[in-house]
Amino acid sequence: GAGVSQSPSNKVTEKGKDVELRCDPISGHTALYWYRQSLGQGLEFLIYFQGNSAPDKSGLPSDRFSAERTGGSVSTLTIQRTQQEDSAVYLCASSPSLSNYGYTFGSGTRLTVV
Amino acid sequence: GEDVEQSLFLSVREGDSSVINCTYTDSSSTYLYWYKQEPGAGLQLLTYIFSNMDMKQDQRLTVLLNKKDKHLSLRIADTQTGDSAIYFCAEPFYGQNFVFGPGTRLSVLP
Repeated sequence: GAGVSQSPSNKVTEKGKDVELRCDPISGHTALYWYRQSLGQGLEFLIYFQGNSAPDKSGLPSDRFSAERTGGSVSTLTIQRTQQEDSAVYLCASSPSLSNYGYTFGSGTRLTVV
Repeated sequence: GEDVEQSLFLSVREGDSSVINCTYTDSSSTYLYWYKQEPGAGLQLLTYIFSNMDMKQDQRLTVLLNKKDKHLSLRIADTQTGDSAIYFCAEPFYGQNFVFGPGTRLSVLP
């Protein structure tokens, strides 16, 4: 597609429920990233996929968080047993392989855990 | 670990210049970046500078890089209300990954 697409744009969920957030990267971009942006804070790196390599999961804050990327394209970030502190905007970005020219970000999914 | 620092808020009058500052930690960074985030939107790459440059100018934007002090700045000339946004400084971390600063919220007053 023309840009990075994320869905849903907004999600309100009850504490303890599982949620899935979806990211469609730009066609042909081999690298895909998930970041979390909490209110009033900067971007927190979560996970990074590059081609067929094993993902860099070093930023995932707990084992309740997981992500997969099917067929080298669409990615799903799953948060199990959501907590209130998981409330944030989850941003996905993609880039061509070995790009020095920065990422293209999606508009994000605003997650609110009540 | 890597740490990118920025002041959190900046207010300027419409028509004035804005200067947003950033300090970074990795002296080996090949590129440094500025992103802009408008309300309710994702981050948009605004500009970047290669580490062997001291300055880059792109219309109303001027990026200055002081490698010795690890200091990066973004100057916006003739600031407009449409420039109101959060501006993030970013540097590469382990090649493909990036570390972002906390963002500077720019408010443009009429």
